[in-house]
Amino acid sequence: QQQVKQSPQSLIVQKGGISIINCAYENTAFDYFPWYQQFPGKGPALLIAIRPDVSEKKEGRFTISFNKSAKQFSLHIMDSQPGDSATYFCAASVSGGYQKVTFGTGTKLQVIP
Amino acid sequence: DSGVTQTPKHLITATGQRVTLRCSPRSGDLSVYWYQQSLDQGLQFLIQYYNGEERAKGNILERFSAQQFPDLHSELNLSSLELGDSALYFCASSPPPWSTDTQYFGPGTRLTVL
Repeated sequence: QQQVKQSPQSLIVQKGGISIINCAYENTAFDYFPWYQQFPGKGPALLIAIRPDVSEKKEGRFTISFNKSAKQFSLHIMDSQPGDSATYFCAASVSGGYQKVTFGTGTKLQVIP
Repeated sequence: DSGVTQTPKHLITATGQRVTLRCSPRSGDLSVYWYQQSLDQGLQFLIQYYNGEERAKGNILERFSAQQFPDLHSELNLSSLELGDSALYFCASSPPPWSTDTQYFGPGTRLTVL
């Protein structure tokens, strides 16, 4: 019940295209859903996060869509750029307290020119 | 730069040996988390400490142990190393509870067991 399932495992997108990564969770107690971006040789860094009181959050070219009833959320990268090539992890946690984050398995995104 | 520091950056050792990985959290952060990331794998949560006390345990092997010291730095000890322990080990820290849910990751320690 603690798992977060992420797909696809890898993704190749043309420059200027839309990259979409999907995640699903089981634990209805989760109320914080961040996405982390990891470049090769670096630690993951928070990209964008959403709480279930909204269905969408947008920051620049990055958008999270959240479907509470389906227990799914997704990351959309608009106008994908080669610099977006990285591994993306979705995650979920129960906010506040001594939060333990459950991570998805990651999606390796490659944006080709 | 997240403000989380990890040493060493690289570590090469032999099977059966013991190593210690060190992590210094961001100033003001009381929680420290350890994760293992094997080649092309996700982030496996190992263990969490808050202000010196163990708070959560994940898939941490009995050969591994950790602690958080009074100055809040943390060490992850890996013993009787096996080839399969070769991985990136990340430390993350987060601010006190009920302030934010973001975790800040260090640059990682790459462990190679030969």
